[in-house]
Amino acid sequence: DAKTTQPPSMDCAEGRAANLPCNHSTISGNEYVYWYRQIHSQGPQYIIHGLKNNETNEMASLIITEDRKSSTLILPHATLRDTAVYYCIVRSPNTGNQFYFGTGTSLTVIP
Amino acid sequence: GAVVSQHPSWVICKSGTSVKIECRSLDFQATTMFWYRQFPKQSLMLMATSNEGSKATYEQGVEKDKFLINHASLTLSTLTVTSAHPEDSSFYICSARGLGSGKNIQYFGAGTRLSVL
Repeated sequence: DAKTTQPPSMDCAEGRAANLPCNHSTISGNEYVYWYRQIHSQGPQYIIHGLKNNETNEMASLIITEDRKSSTLILPHATLRDTAVYYCIVRSPNTGNQFYFGTGTSLTVIP
Repeated sequence: GAVVSQHPSWVICKSGTSVKIECRSLDFQATTMFWYRQFPKQSLMLMATSNEGSKATYEQGVEKDKFLINHASLTLSTLTVTSAHPEDSSFYICSARGLGSGKNIQYFGAGTRLSVL
């Protein structure tokens, strides 16, 4: 599976959009991009995933660049409850189901 | 959405004893479940892949005789930490692979915090 690079930490003002970047320059054609978040002392929560098209659900939007080498998770109106560690994972469904977590981005939403 | 339940949420045990952690998929059947371990201020580390009806597949460096995994049904996987020692104290998290439209999504339990005295 392709490796990912994320900034270790970010701050965002409450009510503003939080844009979390992820670099996956070695991604291959059949690998999906997944985003999870982990609030302190809880299990990870699924947010969104995509292959090459931008995706949106009730939680967030996922923007994948045309060359698929990077992506951005957008939380449109961050709240204090969005404070968490956000993980970007790249995985191919053809090589097993394992998820390998990197170090993620610790997002702090500031009042 | 898919729900994965993990029990217990917190356990304290004496050194040398064994501890069993249960992971259940409540509203779907999971042929594959996963076990992770997380130390403070670190990321999740995959320990093993649990397959219903067959032996678990362990990641490199994880002792299979130390961490016994049983996946006896499509909704239950158990992790037994045998002869636990203080260095086994950690946050253990399970996940299960979804079915149908969510089959490429893993759903995680809330985790079990193990403290070995």
